[in-house]
Amino acid sequence: DAGVIQSPRHEVTEMGQEVTLRCKPISGHDYLFWYRQTMMRGLELLIYFNNNVPIDDSGMPEDRFSAKMPNASFSTLKIQPSEPRDSAVYFCASISGEGENEQFFGPGTRLTVL
Amino acid sequence: TQLLEQSPQFLSIQEGENLTVYCNSSSVFSSLQWYRQEPGEGPVLLVTVVTGGEVKKLKRLTFQFGDARKDSSLHITAAQPGDTGLYLCAGSFVSSGSARQLTFGSGTQLTVLP
Repeated sequence: DAGVIQSPRHEVTEMGQEVTLRCKPISGHDYLFWYRQTMMRGLELLIYFNNNVPIDDSGMPEDRFSAKMPNASFSTLKIQPSEPRDSAVYFCASISGEGENEQFFGPGTRLTVL
Repeated sequence: TQLLEQSPQFLSIQEGENLTVYCNSSSVFSSLQWYRQEPGEGPVLLVTVVTGGEVKKLKRLTFQFGDARKDSSLHITAAQPGDTGLYLCAGSFVSSGSARQLTFGSGTQLTVLP
């Protein structure tokens, strides 16, 4: 398996623009997580899905952030409009619903909002 | 909100030295994991501990889980430059709505100098 795939790897945009981050989880994994990592706040859980259904979105900063999982192999995290304080590395992770609770992370998307 | 405190935040040592990293919480963990993250990549699981008092070894790394399941430590013997990275503890809490949801500590940035 190729592991968790994220795109793009780097995104530079201007304040006010819409940003869409994409994630393909490992095939067969039931859970998908979106995280944001910054030096100040570390790794924060934004939202997670189980069987494509959002379970907990309490970590989503505000209404500018939205996430969808239209099918088991694809998820998006959208920021509209983007702000400089959204600059961070965004990670997607997936796990199987059985066995050890090992989260498999993608390589991340480094977002810079100017 | 469950919090995970990790210490120290930064650690720079010479090759061959020993070190210990700590992870503490006021809440009880149902399980605790240690991840290592290298620059430009997502975190990768090192170990999962579940039972209070449990000790696990991974080559030169020794992981301990506190008897009360509120704390954990990672000890590295004879550190090598290849051990350099960000070490993250992550807990699944007894009181959490889902055992699959993890709360991450702020991380320990370890640098091992040759």
